[in-house]
Formats: sequence, C-alpha cells, structure tokens
Amino acid sequence: GQNIDQPTEMTATEGAIVQINCTYQTSGFNGLFWYQQHAGEAPTFLSYNVLDGLEEKGRFSSFLSRSKGYSYLLLKELQMKDSASYLCAVRDSNYQLIWGAGTKLIIKP
Amino acid sequence: DAGVIQSPRHEVTEMGQEVTLRCKPISGHDYLFWYRQTMMRGLELLIYFNNNVPIDDSGMPEDRFSAKMPNASFSTLKIQPSEPRDSAVYFCASRGLAVTGELFFGEGSRLTVL
Repeated sequence: GQNIDQPTEMTATEGAIVQINCTYQTSGFNGLFWYQQHAGEAPTFLSYNVLDGLEEKGRFSSFLSRSKGYSYLLLKELQMKDSASYLCAVRDSNYQLIWGAGTKLIIKP
Repeated sequence: DAGVIQSPRHEVTEMGQEVTLRCKPISGHDYLFWYRQTMMRGLELLIYFNNNVPIDDSGMPEDRFSAKMPNASFSTLKIQPSEPRDSAVYFCASRGLAVTGELFFGEGSRLTVL
C-alpha cells in the first residue's frame, strides 16, 4: 500500500531551527509537496520538490532524496506564527496526491 | 484574484437532513477536488473533476454522498441523509496548469451533524 510517515507533534523554541521529516512509500513518484495548515484554516502550499536536493524559500527549505523515499522541511528563525500543522504529500504515478497525517509544530517563547 | 470560495463556512444540522456544500474554484483552474478532514483520518480525497467531468469518485464514502459540477465555476457536494459520522471539515481545492500543480484550498465548510 501507499504510506507517508511524519511525526505527530514537535516542539521548538522561538528563534531556533526545526526539521520535520517525511518518509514515503508510494506507487511511483511525481513530486513531493509541503503544506502549512494553521488551526481552523485551510492548507496552504509551501514547497515542491521533484528532483533530489534542497529547495530554499526564505526561512523555509525543503529537501528530497528519491532513492531513500525521504524529505524534510527545515524552518529557520522560528516565529510564533509558525505554530501550525505541516502536511507532507506525494504525487504518485497516477498523479494522485497521497497525504501524510501532518506534524503539529508547537513554538514556545 | 479571488481564491477558492466555499459556502457555508459552518453548518449545524440534525441527523437525516440534507446538506449541500458549495464551491467556486479559481477562474481558469480545470481541476476541482473535494476533501474531507477529520482528526482521526486526516485529509481524505472524496472526488475530483477535470473540466467539469468527474474523474474519480472512489473516495465517496457511500451513496449518501453525491457531487456535481454543472459548469467550470461551480460545484456542489451533497449529503442526503446526513449522519453524525459525517461531521468534519469539507475542503474544496482547485488546481491549474502550473508545472508544480499545487492545490489551492478554500476556507472549508465545517459540518456538524447532531
């Protein structure tokens, strides 16, 4: 079956760096997405990786290793507003999105 | 440019009643998705359309659920009759032709069935 694993919850301190991991086993691979979802709000697109390596976008970076079925989202200079759930999703060979359960990130002052 | 628009934002109804959720996708987007999100099951794809045509409805829980897309700017998700286990947040999302193909989600419709 298809599966995406990410930690359920993580806690980090304001101003610090946090890495959220995602491992996947899917039928084919056509890209990996990270979405941010604040409580009570809709998911919003953060990043997309289709080739191995690091994609940097401001304070957020996303890394992909297709051979390992692994990605991480790196958040730097954490701010209180970064408290949210972070969803990893993989697009499979049928171009369908397989979603992880999400990682709830708690930022403490 | 307006985003994906959903209505109602909140709906409280009694078991057995009909519920209709509405969605207006982003203009020019040719894919529309209906998702359901609960704490227990996360995000579940219910159905998606391409150019107004339903492509995959295998995620629709049962015959009580139906979805239509009569034109490129409007879609409905109907539950009849509703049951307490249908309580969830229902998201509509659309996707355009960008290479990345990311989804743009509406604000969601929070449904509570008593």
